[in-house]
Amino acid sequence: NAGVTQTPKFRILKIGQSMTLQCTQDMNHNYMYWYRQDPGMGLKLIYYSVGAGITDKGEVPNGYNVSRSTTEDFPLRLELAAPSQTSVYFCASLSGGRARGRDQPQHFGDGTRLSIL
Amino acid sequence: GDSVTQMEGPVTLSEEAFLTINCTYTATGYPSLFWYVQYPGEGLQLLLKATKADDKGSNKGFEATYRKETTSFHLEKGSVQVSDSAVYFCALDDYKLSFGAGTTVTVRA
Repeated sequence: NAGVTQTPKFRILKIGQSMTLQCTQDMNHNYMYWYRQDPGMGLKLIYYSVGAGITDKGEVPNGYNVSRSTTEDFPLRLELAAPSQTSVYFCASLSGGRARGRDQPQHFGDGTRLSIL
Repeated sequence: GDSVTQMEGPVTLSEEAFLTINCTYTATGYPSLFWYVQYPGEGLQLLLKATKADDKGSNKGFEATYRKETTSFHLEKGSVQVSDSAVYFCALDDYKLSFGAGTTVTVRA
């Protein structure tokens, strides 16, 4: 009953370093999302994917990259870490085929808390 | 475009008090509406949903009714507990997902 699993849970990076935030889901969901949550703010969509091999930008994609080689995995890559990327990152998934309905909820991981110093 | 506006927090209540969190939306289509809850240190989880006008979602003593005429989906609970302390997010899905900014609720014993 794992659902959406994110690793690591916490990480401290130095400015200019790179890292990959891992996200995997075991529900065979086609749709996957990456959000960032800044203190006192809501969720901002970074990237999303509607299926393996298909990704698209959200509202705040700059400084990030994603890939979706399998249905299960949707890693988020930070190439040159900057202090502005200090945030909590959430991965989410959603069931549905090519013509998905609108009534299914998103399933969220527990988040990765990232600090860049 | 679609958007969700929910009341700003933080909200602080005493145990057994009545809780209401206002949520209004704008959408061009006929969205489904959701309330998510985020407990400290955790991800968001679905609290309740409604998929069409006049539907009432309910769970764990919380309720919200989909009001198309007022484009609202207010969350209510009649008697809160300390364990209800969390951040609550209103959201819509109109084939594009939109979240409100979240409302932090603290319930004191």
